[in-house]
Amino acid sequence: EPEVTQTPSHQVTQMGQEVILRCVPISNHLYFYWYRQILGQKVEFLVSFYNNEISEKSEIFDDQFSVERPDGSNFTLKIRSTKLEDSAMYFCASQRDRTYEQYFGPGTRLTVT
Amino acid sequence: AQSVTQLDSQVPVFEEAPVELRCNYSSSVSVYLFWYVQYPNQGLQLLLKYLSGSTLVKGINGFEAEFNKSQTSFHLRKPSVHISDTAEYFCAVINTGTASKLTFGTGTRLQVTL
Repeated sequence: EPEVTQTPSHQVTQMGQEVILRCVPISNHLYFYWYRQILGQKVEFLVSFYNNEISEKSEIFDDQFSVERPDGSNFTLKIRSTKLEDSAMYFCASQRDRTYEQYFGPGTRLTVT
Repeated sequence: AQSVTQLDSQVPVFEEAPVELRCNYSSSVSVYLFWYVQYPNQGLQLLLKYLSGSTLVKGINGFEAEFNKSQTSFHLRKPSVHISDTAEYFCAVINTGTASKLTFGTGTRLQVTL
C-alpha cells in the first residue's frame, strides 16, 4: 500500500541554523500539507500546497518557513533560522482529491538546541 | 474558526471492555469530522470520517462514531477493545467551505490492559 515517507526521522540542529525537512507524498496525490506537534500539545496546521503554490497558511508559518515541491515527487519544508520553539514533530500529509482523506507520514522530530 | 475539544486526555480500559472516546467541536460553519489514530512511532492513520448521510459511521478496526449535530459531538466507540488498540486518538474537523486544513483536538491516550 502506498504511503507518505519523511526524512530524516530525527533532526538535531543548533539555534539559528537552517533545516530542510523532506517528504515524499503518495504519487498520484494533488494536495500537500505540513503540520506540527509540539510535545504535549495538539497537532497544528502549518501550510497547504496545491497546484505548485501555497493555498493556505497559518499564523505560525511566518517568513522563516517556506515550502517547495522541487521535482514533482518531494515536498520540502524549510526553516531558515531555527528557534528553540521550533522543536516539535513535523508531519507531512497528502490528499488525492476532494475526498478529504489526508494520509500522514511518520513525522520528523526536530530538536533545536 | 473552529475548535475541537477532547476532554479525556487518558482513558484506561481492560481488554474486551467497551470504550467511548469523547469529542466535541465548535464551529460557525459546517464541518466534516474525522478520527485519526497514532500508534507509537507512527504517523496519523484515518480511522473514520463523517461527510454527510447516516450519522453513524463505521471505520477500521471495529470502531464507529456517531455525529450528533445538536450536541456538536462526534464520539468514538468500540464494543470490545484489544491490547493492540492502545494508541493516541485524535478527533479533527475540516471547514466544508474551504475543505483544506484539519483542526485537531488535543488527543486521548487509550491504554488497554489485561
